[in-house]
Amino acid sequence: DAKTTQPTSMDCAEGRAANLPCNHSTISGNEYVYWYRQIHSQGPQYIIHGLKNNETNEMASLIITEDRKSSTLILPHATLRDTAVYYCIVRFSNTGNQFYFGTGTSLTVIP
Amino acid sequence: GAVVSQHPSRVICKSGTSVKIECRSLDFQATTMFWYRQFPKKSLMLMATSNEGSKATYEQGVEKDKFLINHASLTLSTLTVTSAHPEDSSFYICSANSPPNEQYFGPGTRLTVT
Repeated sequence: DAKTTQPTSMDCAEGRAANLPCNHSTISGNEYVYWYRQIHSQGPQYIIHGLKNNETNEMASLIITEDRKSSTLILPHATLRDTAVYYCIVRFSNTGNQFYFGTGTSLTVIP
Repeated sequence: GAVVSQHPSRVICKSGTSVKIECRSLDFQATTMFWYRQFPKKSLMLMATSNEGSKATYEQGVEKDKFLINHASLTLSTLTVTSAHPEDSSFYICSANSPPNEQYFGPGTRLTVT
């Protein structure tokens, strides 16, 4: 699976949009981009995933660049409960393929 | 969304004993489950892939005789830490594939070996 690079940490003011970048310059054509987050001492929580089109769900939006070498996760109105480590992962669409986690971005939402 | 549970949520055991952790997919069948380990302030590290009805596939550096994995049904995988030592103390997390493309994680099990 392609490796990803993310900033180690970010801050965001409560109520503002949080934009979390991810670089995956070696992604292959049939690898998806997944985002998960982990709140302290809990299991990772699925947020969103996409292949090449932008995606939106009730939690977030995923913007993937045209060349697919990077993406941005957008939390439109960050709350204190969004404070967590956010992981960007790329993997093939086959459901038998495992996830390899990078170091993620520690997002702190500030009151 | 799909739910994955783990039992127990936390366990303390003495050095040299074995401890079993269960991972269950509650509302879907999972032919493949995964086991991860996470040390404090570190990322999740994949330990092994658990396949229903067959042997688990272990990542490089993970001892298969120490971390026994059994995936006897489509909704249950177990991880047994044998002859546990203090350095095995960690947060163990399982996950299961929910078709077509999503993977759901359990809440984790905190193991402390004294």
